[in-house]
Amino acid sequence: EDQVTQSPEALRLQEGESSSLNCSYTVSGLRGLFWYRQDPGKGPEFLFTLYSAGEEKEKERLKATLTKKESFLHITAPKPEDSATYLCAVQAGNYGQNFVFGPGTRLSVLP
Amino acid sequence: DAGVTQSPTHLIKTRGQQVTLRCSPKSGHDTVSWYQQALGQGPQFIFQYYEEEERQRGNFPDRFSGHQFPNYSSELNVNALLLGDSALYLCASSPRGRRNEQYFGPGTRLTVT
Repeated sequence: EDQVTQSPEALRLQEGESSSLNCSYTVSGLRGLFWYRQDPGKGPEFLFTLYSAGEEKEKERLKATLTKKESFLHITAPKPEDSATYLCAVQAGNYGQNFVFGPGTRLSVLP
Repeated sequence: DAGVTQSPTHLIKTRGQQVTLRCSPKSGHDTVSWYQQALGQGPQFIFQYYEEEERQRGNFPDRFSGHQFPNYSSELNVNALLLGDSALYLCASSPRGRRNEQYFGPGTRLTVT
């Protein structure tokens, strides 16, 4: 069975304090790994897609990396507006239509 | 260009009742997926529709059913509501030929009392 876990469950950072979020996955036939940001009471907002080990993507203060078993979302010099829940999802299987989400990491960045 | 829209925003139902949630995909998108997100958890895949047929289904009982219309909009129906069905229901649409790209709507918050 495809599984996605994320750690830590919650993370509190001071503004400017860099850190990383982890997404570990067990899937058969990974077709893609996705990072989303979700603000309270809203739908997830797409951030990155990674397809193969070694791939990296960057957007402003965020950088996502992928290995064969996990992905990291690195946050450099975060700001309070980066506070949100960060969700990781994998797309797997023969038809690649089923997305499996992790439980998310709740990030709080304090000014 | 309007994004994915969902209605209603909030809904309160009583245990045993039935509910219908609606989703309009982004322009140019032909695929709609539905997810259930319980408080503090990640979204769970319910099912996906394209070409007006259910193409894949997650681990949800038959009380959960759906429909896709010729204009690609979609409905999620839940019968015999249980307290545990209380959640945020998310709709995501994908463009034709690129079903790995999912754009989420704001969700419908369903409360079952």
